[in-house]
Amino acid sequence: NAGVTQTPKFQVLKTGQSMTLQCAQDMNHNSMYWYRQDPGMGLRLIYYSASEGTTDKGEVPNGYNVSRLNKREFSLRLESAAPSQTSVYFCASSDTRQGVPLEAFFGQGTRLTVV
Amino acid sequence: AQTVTQSQPEMSVQEAETVTLSCTYDTSESNYYLFWYKQPPSRQMILVIRQEAYKQQNATENRFSVNFQKAAKSFSLKISDSQLGDTAMYFCAFMKPYGNNDMRFGAGTRLTVKP
Repeated sequence: NAGVTQTPKFQVLKTGQSMTLQCAQDMNHNSMYWYRQDPGMGLRLIYYSASEGTTDKGEVPNGYNVSRLNKREFSLRLESAAPSQTSVYFCASSDTRQGVPLEAFFGQGTRLTVV
Repeated sequence: AQTVTQSQPEMSVQEAETVTLSCTYDTSESNYYLFWYKQPPSRQMILVIRQEAYKQQNATENRFSVNFQKAAKSFSLKISDSQLGDTAMYFCAFMKPYGNNDMRFGAGTRLTVKP
């Protein structure tokens, strides 16, 4: 009963380094999301993928890229990390039934620090 | 784009009492879905309650209920008989149905239940 699995759980990067956050879900959901959570700002949507093969920008996409590798996996890449990208990152997945959005399931989060 | 506003960064309540968390949103859509998610210190996101805009009746889940005022674009969460385990961040979220699965969150309210 894994649900949504994110790796890694913690990461420290130096400014300018790159990295990819991995996310996989085993619930056969169509939609997947990447959020960042910062104090006082809630969860802000970075990118989302409504279905395999599609991706769309959210509220704060600058500095990030995503890949929907297949239905299960949705990765987030930081090409050149900046201190402003220090945050907790959450991956989520959800689905709809006859157009009705169902509960979203979230990973445990990745705490990323850029120094 | 839809926006979700939670104007109470922090609230506290005595155990066994009732507390109401506020949420307002802005949209031009006629049908949509609203959610309350709870994030305890473990960081895991947990769905508390869901409301469909077309339904007049306010959703209820055990001690949790909502006051949905569509004309005012208001969606408050009432927690009755507060318990220590209710201590958490609470996020209000908005989602449109059918295809566009862009899910937006408010900034959150940190609720502390005091013994």
